[in-house]
Amino acid sequence: GENVEQHPSTLSVQEGDSAVIKCTYSDSASNYFPWYKQELGKRPQLIIDIRSNVGEKKDQRIAVTLNKTAKHFSLHITETQPEDSAVYFCAARLKAAGNKLTFGGGTRVLVKP
Amino acid sequence: GAVVSQHPSRVICKSGTSVKIECRSLDFQATTMFWYRQFPKQSLMLMATSNEGSKATYEQGVEKDKFLINHASLTLSTLTVTSAHPEDSSFYICSARDPGQGEETQYFGPGTRLLVL
Repeated sequence: GENVEQHPSTLSVQEGDSAVIKCTYSDSASNYFPWYKQELGKRPQLIIDIRSNVGEKKDQRIAVTLNKTAKHFSLHITETQPEDSAVYFCAARLKAAGNKLTFGGGTRVLVKP
Repeated sequence: GAVVSQHPSRVICKSGTSVKIECRSLDFQATTMFWYRQFPKQSLMLMATSNEGSKATYEQGVEKDKFLINHASLTLSTLTVTSAHPEDSSFYICSARDPGQGEETQYFGPGTRLLVL
């Protein structure tokens, strides 16, 4: 099955700086990689995703990069704001496993004003 | 994005009772829904995949007789925690795939916080 590792587990940045979260996956057949943001006690919200036929995707201050050879993908948040503080989860989808998502352990991001 | 609702949002029950949680897709039909459990400060762990009109597929280590899943329609899946015990206390979240948004995209419900006394 798929295994997803996420680092770091916690990340503290100053407002305006960039934040980078990295994930590695084990199954080279995985083909879809979403990122979710979860605020305390609330549902995970999809913020960006990338498919295996694309190397990079950007949406305003958020970008995701994918390195299929190395089997890792990263979330980049630029110009961080206090409202970016949350827990972020990466995930990988293995189509052969019935479209199930396997989640990373999460990164708690704190943006200090 | 697509909207998924869950009910109830939180429930407190006595040990030994059963609790039913509903997951609904509000503006799309979902042939597949997923049930996750999340303990405090931990990641989401998939419990089972709910398939409309057929039996659910459970992940390894999840007792199918304890966590009963029914997906009787294209917009509703239910999870029943039978004979709940304090160790079942957790945040239960469902998700659903919207076929109209591509087969991969999953949208999550708001979660149900279960506390078993």
